[in-house]
Amino acid sequence: DAKTTQPTSMDCAEGRAANLPCNHSTISGNEYVYWYRQIHSQGPQYIIHGLKNNETNEMASLIITEDRKSSTLILPHATLRDTAVYYCIVRAPHGSGNTGKLIFGQGTTLQVKP
Amino acid sequence: DTEVTQTPKHLVMGMTNKKSLKCEQHMGHRAMYWYKQKAKKPPELMFVYSYEKLSINESVPSRFSPECPNSSLLNLHLHALQPEDSALYLCASQWGGSYRLDGYTFGSGTRLTVV
Repeated sequence: DAKTTQPTSMDCAEGRAANLPCNHSTISGNEYVYWYRQIHSQGPQYIIHGLKNNETNEMASLIITEDRKSSTLILPHATLRDTAVYYCIVRAPHGSGNTGKLIFGQGTTLQVKP
Repeated sequence: DTEVTQTPKHLVMGMTNKKSLKCEQHMGHRAMYWYKQKAKKPPELMFVYSYEKLSINESVPSRFSPECPNSSLLNLHLHALQPEDSALYLCASQWGGSYRLDGYTFGSGTRLTVV
C-alpha cells in the first residue's frame, strides 16, 4: 500500500474552511484515497473516499489532483467540534494480491479555534 | 441501528486474568475488524473477519484470541497479557465483506489497563 504524508498539525479559525493536504506520490492506479477523523477518546469516523474524481458529501469535499499524487480534504465551515486527528489513507481493493487492509498513518491534528 | 457497540468501555485486568472484549453490530455488516491503539499513536490493525471467517491475522501474539460466533458479534479473548498491552482496543465493521470499498464504522473502544 502506498504511504501518505500529512502535516503533523494545523490550526483553523471557526467558521472558515479547513483545507487538509495529503501527499501520496507513490499511489497506484487502483488505490483509493480515504479520509477518517478521530475526535479525542472516540473511535475513528469515516469521512469520504475517492479514486480520481472530486467527491463531496454532507461532511466534506475531497479534491484529488489530476496526477493523483496528492489530495486535499476540505471542511467548508469548520466548527469547534471538528477539532480532531485527520487520517489520509491509501487503500487498494481486496484482490489481485492486495489485502484491502486499512492502515492508518500518523495523521494531522486539526485545532479549530474560536 | 447504525452503531458498533463495544463492551466494556473500561477494563483493568491482572497479568494472570482471562477476560473478553465484546463488539456487536446490527447493520448487516459482514466484515469486522480489531484494532489496537496506544496513546498518541494511530490505530494498528490486529485481525480481519470476513463472513465470520478469520482472513487476516497481523502476527498478533497468541495471548490475543479473536472469535466471531455470528455475523453480529466479534469477541477478543485475552489471557496472560503484559502491561505493554494496555491500550484502546477498537472494533470496526463494514458493509459486505472485507473486499468492499465502503467506509468502516468504528466503535468507541475498550480502554484496557493491564496491571
